[in-house]
Amino acid sequence: GENVEQHPSTLSVQEGDSAVIKCTYSDSASNYFPWYKQELGKRPQLIIDIRSNVGEKKDQRIAVTLNKTAKHFSLHITETQPEDSAVYFCAASASARQLTFGSGTQLTVLP
Amino acid sequence: NAGVTQTPKFQVLKTGQSMTLQCAQDMNHEYMSWYRQDPGMGLRLIHYSVGAGITDQGEVPNGYNVSRSTTEDFPLRLLSAAPSQTSVYFCASRLQGDQPQHFGDGTRLSIL
Repeated sequence: GENVEQHPSTLSVQEGDSAVIKCTYSDSASNYFPWYKQELGKRPQLIIDIRSNVGEKKDQRIAVTLNKTAKHFSLHITETQPEDSAVYFCAASASARQLTFGSGTQLTVLP
Repeated sequence: NAGVTQTPKFQVLKTGQSMTLQCAQDMNHEYMSWYRQDPGMGLRLIHYSVGAGITDQGEVPNGYNVSRSTTEDFPLRLLSAAPSQTSVYFCASRLQGDQPQHFGDGTRLSIL
């Protein structure tokens, strides 16, 4: 089955700096890669996703890049703000199979 | 459109008791899944379903049963609760495999 590895497990950045979280996946059939943000005590919420026919996608301060050859994808957050502090999860899915999650990254934005 | 609704939000059980966690979605999604999340951990898949009448095991299925008699509902049954099943349980649904997955608010379960 699919295996998703996520790094780093914790990340601290100064407010206004950029944050990058990286994930690798094992199943070459995977074609859907979402990112979720989970605040303490709340449910995971989708922040951005990318499909295998696209190399990069942006939404305001958030971007995701995908390298299918190397089987890795990354989340980029620019101009970080205190409200970006949360746990971020990457995930990967082949179209007819379950969504497999990475182990999460605790992002702390320091004022 | 309520999205994914989980009940109860909190539950305390004694070891050996059984119970059912309820999950319902009103988005006509084919795919539904149950995850557990332990403190400081990621989301581990328990069971999932790709349509009514179809279920399959995930990463950590032991001690849990599911059924999918309707598109809307996907209950998770704990057969004989154990302290190791203390966790937060999330139900999720999505239209198809490559579509956004929506989570419920979770059920916080403690087994004494």
